[in-house]
Amino acid sequence: AQRVTQPEKLLSVFKGAPVELKCNYSYSGSPELFWYVQYSRQRLQLLLRHISRESIKGFTADLNKGETSFHLKKPFAQEEDSAMYYCALTGNFGNEKLTFGTGTRLTIIP
Amino acid sequence: NAGVTQTPKFQVLKTGQSMTLQCAQDMNHNSMYWYRQDPGMGLRLIYYSASEGTTDKGEVPNGYNVSRLNKREFSLRLESAAPSQTSVYFCAIEHREFYEQYFGPGTRLTVT
Repeated sequence: AQRVTQPEKLLSVFKGAPVELKCNYSYSGSPELFWYVQYSRQRLQLLLRHISRESIKGFTADLNKGETSFHLKKPFAQEEDSAMYYCALTGNFGNEKLTFGTGTRLTIIP
Repeated sequence: NAGVTQTPKFQVLKTGQSMTLQCAQDMNHNSMYWYRQDPGMGLRLIYYSASEGTTDKGEVPNGYNVSRLNKREFSLRLESAAPSQTSVYFCAIEHREFYEQYFGPGTRLTVT
């Protein structure tokens, strides 16, 4: 069964400091991985997906198949980065469902 | 283009009462989902619908029923609400080609 683990429920980082939100996964095949973000009073939205290899709002995430990780990183935190972040996984075999981690609440300290 | 809409935004129920949460989309996607969001538990799938007229159970279906009468709408019903169903409920649709889900604004439900 597929599983996503986000070991940190809460993470506080000073403005300007680097940010790393951890995500580890368990999946027997080749996964598709995502980061979703929920800002205060807003709906959950896609931040980035590994297949796009993109940087959104300064965030990047690299899929490490050896360590089964997909950590989210940003070199310099900004106050507007405070939000709830969810790592999510799906397979690529037709009708596999999206599995979410339990989320990490990131707070940027001014 | 509203994307995904949910009604109501807030609801308070007494134990044993029933209600239906409504979700509608204008993006013409086949797959629709209902999740609940609880602190420390993340998002858990309640039910999903791969296409009009079909529904399947997710991770936590007990105490809920769903209905997908047409492509636009996917409703979630609580027949006899319990305090354990206090949660924030999200509807989502999926753009399968890009593996991306679009979420509604959520319904905050409190059962007393």
